[in-house]
Amino acid sequence: TQLLEQSPQFLSIQEGENLTVYCNSSSVFSSLQWYRQEPGEGPVLLVTVVTGGEVKKLKRLTFQFGDARKDSSLHITAAQPGDTGLYLCGGGNEKLTFGTGTRLTIIP
Amino acid sequence: NAGVTQTPKFQVLKTGQSMTLQCAQDMNHEYMSWYRQDPGMGLRLIHYSVGAGITDQGEVPNGYNVSRSTTEDFPLRLLSAAPSQTSVYFCASSRDGGMGTEAFFGQGTRLTVV
Repeated sequence: TQLLEQSPQFLSIQEGENLTVYCNSSSVFSSLQWYRQEPGEGPVLLVTVVTGGEVKKLKRLTFQFGDARKDSSLHITAAQPGDTGLYLCGGGNEKLTFGTGTRLTIIP
Repeated sequence: NAGVTQTPKFQVLKTGQSMTLQCAQDMNHEYMSWYRQDPGMGLRLIHYSVGAGITDQGEVPNGYNVSRSTTEDFPLRLLSAAPSQTSVYFCASSRDGGMGTEAFFGQGTRLTVV
């Protein structure tokens, strides 16, 4: 079983601050995905990273895949209340499994 | 475009009762899966299917059965509900079993077992 660990589990910051959340594993992944989930809804895909060392940007969100393809990070610049949600990383070589998630709250 | 549809949205069961959670997708996706979500636990994989007629176990399969007789449908059965199965259940589908393709989720079924 390929385990994904996310940190921190909870994060609460002021609007306008920057933050980074992490997704780590002892296993190598062919790709990793980041999803965001809002209350009462299913997760929605933000990005997929495939190549070791890859960096992808989605507006104020920057995703990085580790060189060894065992970890990933999500950096948010100038956080806004709309960024509030549960962030999940997911991956797997034959079945899609997820980490425990980071619950992010942005305080206006 | 409906995407992934789960029914019911809410359900209360008594211990020992059985029920089926329904999941249907209209995107002709081969890969479908069921997850449960508990506080602080993220999404845990229960069962998954890479195509019609093929199913396999995930991380937490005990107490649940699945079947995949058609590409569109992937029902999850609880044979004898237990309070430990109180959770929010999500069904997901993706184009194929190759990882890296986008998974689309239903809106979830909130199940309470008393």
